[in-house]
Amino acid sequence: GQNIDQPTEMTATEGAIVQINCTYQTSGFNGLFWYQQHAGEAPTFLSYNVLDGLEEKGRFSSFLSRSKGYSYLLLKELQMKDSASYLCAVLDSNYQLIWGAGTKLIIKP
Amino acid sequence: GAVVSQHPSWVICKSGTSVKIECRSLDFQATTMFWYRQFPKQSLMLMATSNEGSKATYEQGVEKDKFLINHASLTLSTLTVTSAHPEDSSFYICSAQQGEYNEQFFGPGTRLTVL
Repeated sequence: GQNIDQPTEMTATEGAIVQINCTYQTSGFNGLFWYQQHAGEAPTFLSYNVLDGLEEKGRFSSFLSRSKGYSYLLLKELQMKDSASYLCAVLDSNYQLIWGAGTKLIIKP
Repeated sequence: GAVVSQHPSWVICKSGTSVKIECRSLDFQATTMFWYRQFPKQSLMLMATSNEGSKATYEQGVEKDKFLINHASLTLSTLTVTSAHPEDSSFYICSAQQGEYNEQFFGPGTRLTVL
């Protein structure tokens, strides 16, 4: 079956750095997305990786290793507004988006 | 980025009534839209893929006759929850693909409460 694993919850301190990991086992791979979802709101797009390596976008970076079925989202200089759930999603061989359950990130002052 | 709207934002209805939720792509045309349901503290669950001009493709376990989807134009898809019951209370979110990576842009969601 298809499976995406991410930690359920993480806690970090304002101003610090946090890495949210995502491992996947899917039938085929056409890219991996990271989305941010604040409580009670719809998800918003953060990043897309289809090739191995690190993609940096401001305070957020996303890394992919296709051979390991692994990605991480790195958040730097954490701000209180970064408290949200972070969803990892993989596009499989049929271009269906397979969603992880999300990682709830709690930022403490 | 692309903008997707949903209406209504929230709705409270009595058990047995039907509720229609609209999803619109405001500044682009979407031949395909997606409908999701999300229960509290759970991940998004894809209900169906809505295709303009043709029948929707439903995920396993989703009742076609209960969740009616109509995609009559390139900018509008509707989801009708027929004969709603309390267990249908959930957060319903639509999305459409657009952009450089064909990423999904989500509507703001509709919170449905069935009494």
